[in-house]
Amino acid sequence: GDSVTQMEGPVTLSEEAFLTINCTYTATGYPSLFWYVQYPGEGLQLLLKATKADDKGSNKGFEATYRKETTSFHLEKGSVQVSDSAVYFCALRANSGYSTLTFGKGTMLLVSP
Amino acid sequence: DAGVTQSPTHLIKTRGQQVTLRCSPKSGHDTVSWYQQALGQGPQFIFQYYEEEERQRGNFPDRFSGHQFPNYSSELNVNALLLGDSALYLCASSSGDRWTYEQYFGPGTRLTVT
Repeated sequence: GDSVTQMEGPVTLSEEAFLTINCTYTATGYPSLFWYVQYPGEGLQLLLKATKADDKGSNKGFEATYRKETTSFHLEKGSVQVSDSAVYFCALRANSGYSTLTFGKGTMLLVSP
Repeated sequence: DAGVTQSPTHLIKTRGQQVTLRCSPKSGHDTVSWYQQALGQGPQFIFQYYEEEERQRGNFPDRFSGHQFPNYSSELNVNALLLGDSALYLCASSSGDRWTYEQYFGPGTRLTVT
């Protein structure tokens, strides 16, 4: 079945450091890919998405490129802020039927001043 | 425009009891999905409701059941609670065709089973 694998956390960075959170997936066909963010005590917020190979999703300085050849969708940000501290989830949605989201286990990001 | 709302925020139940969680979708949305998020894990899909019927279900036992009302709001019921049912339960709503819809999540209900 479909699955998503994320790098384990926590990822600890200083403010203004470069961020990469790795995400790889296994799926039949060509799924859509998503990054969600969960701040403490809150639900999930969609951060960015890509629906086909080589698409780049971007939002709030975060970027991720859909790489079909490596089945990856790594999240990057050039300069993190303390306010970016949260748990980040990579997810996929199969483009068939009444598709739902399959999530990775999440990666906690901690940014210190 | 109100987003997805869920109630209650927190709930404590005893093993063997039954619980009902509620969700109101974002305005204009007609599809509701429920997810279970155990501590330190990603959300797991429970089921999805559309036009008052369950149209897709994840790998959860029959103790988990749901309902969707004509106004598109939804309930999740869990019978015979187990300690392992302790989790954050997330509701997500969506609209549009099956290929392109995005899911918007509510803040969740934290269920603790003792």
